[in-house]
This record gives sequence, C-alpha cells and structure tokens, in this order.
Amino acid sequence: KAGVTQTPRYLIKTRGQQVTLSCSPISGHRSVSWYQQTPGQGLQFLFEYFSETQRNKGNFPGRFSGRQFSNSRSEMNVSTLELGDSALYLCASGTDDTQYFGPGTRLTVL
Amino acid sequence: KNEVEQSPQNLTAQEGEFITINCSYSVGISALHWLQQHPGGGIVSLFMLSSGKKKHGRLIATINIQEKHSSLHITASHPRDSAVYICAVSQNKLIFGTGTLLAVQP
Repeated sequence: KAGVTQTPRYLIKTRGQQVTLSCSPISGHRSVSWYQQTPGQGLQFLFEYFSETQRNKGNFPGRFSGRQFSNSRSEMNVSTLELGDSALYLCASGTDDTQYFGPGTRLTVL
Repeated sequence: KNEVEQSPQNLTAQEGEFITINCSYSVGISALHWLQQHPGGGIVSLFMLSSGKKKHGRLIATINIQEKHSSLHITASHPRDSAVYICAVSQNKLIFGTGTLLAVQP
C-alpha cells in the first residue's frame, strides 16, 4: 500500500498570501489529522477529519481551515499568512490503533 | 506546565548501551503514543499503548496508567537509532511532548 502523501513538499510564500496544502491518506483510511511543527512550539494538533466531517479542532485561529473530500483526501488552507506560520505541516491518516504520518510540507513565509 | 513532559531532552549514548526515555502526563488519556522523527521530518509511529507493555524488536514501551507515566527503552542501541523520540497522548486529539533528541555514537 502506498503511504500518506503530501503535496507540495516545500513552499515559499510571502506575508498576506494564502496557501493550500494537500494530503492523500493511505487507501481505506477515513481519518486524516493535520499537525503543525515549529522549533518553538513543537508539534501541535490542527484538526481531524473523518468521513468529510471535522471531528476535532485544535487551538488555532480561524485563518487555518481544512476540508476532506469523499475520497478521503484532505486539504488545509491558511489565509493571510504570517511569519509565524512558517513550519512543517504534517498530516496523518490512521485507524484506531495507529497513525501513519506523511513526509510533511515545509512552508516558509517571507 | 506542559500536559506532557519528557525526559531527558537530550541524550547521548554509546553504541550497545541500554537507553530509557521517560514521559509523564497530567491529563486523562485514552492511549499513549511513542513516535520517532528522523532529520528531515519524517515521523514513524512506534507504539500505541493503553496499558502494560509492548515490544517490537529492540524497542520496549511500558505504561503505568495510575502513575501517568510511560517509558521507552532501546536495548543494544545503534547509531541508526539516533533520532528525536516523541511521546504523545490521545485525548480526542494528540497532545505532544517536546521530544528527546537521542544521539548514539559508534
């Protein structure tokens, strides 16, 4: 089975722009979670989607949003980018037993 | 105070040594995860525990629910074990510790 894939792998944007990141889960997985990793804050949970519905949400501003499609692929969007949004964004798909992480998208905001 | 605390933050070991990384948490959880992250970012899930002990190869993870504590042990450590090890607890969402940077020297 193919693993979790994320596109793009690297992205450079400027302040004020918006960005959309994509995640394709492992085939058959209906749950997709998104995480942000920064040197200062470490790993933090953004949100989780299950069968196209947001099931849980972390403590991030409304500029961070996401959605899941009927094929379980998920996108996250960040609007009005700030310098502090520079981070590694990871998605994971999973079952009740474990989470499988994608390679991440490294976003740099200039 | 963080809800998930790991110790030590940094650990250097010689090849072959027995390694222990500790994780304490202060919230109610449904499960605890141990993750491994290599340079470059890729994260691998090593264990998910809700009680007792699990073993996979040279890795052993234990959890004491009453004491809210878990340990990850690596036996016969090898330089390829060098990575960041992250403890995370499930509480509707994953809450992560700050990680332990392990360097195993040959």
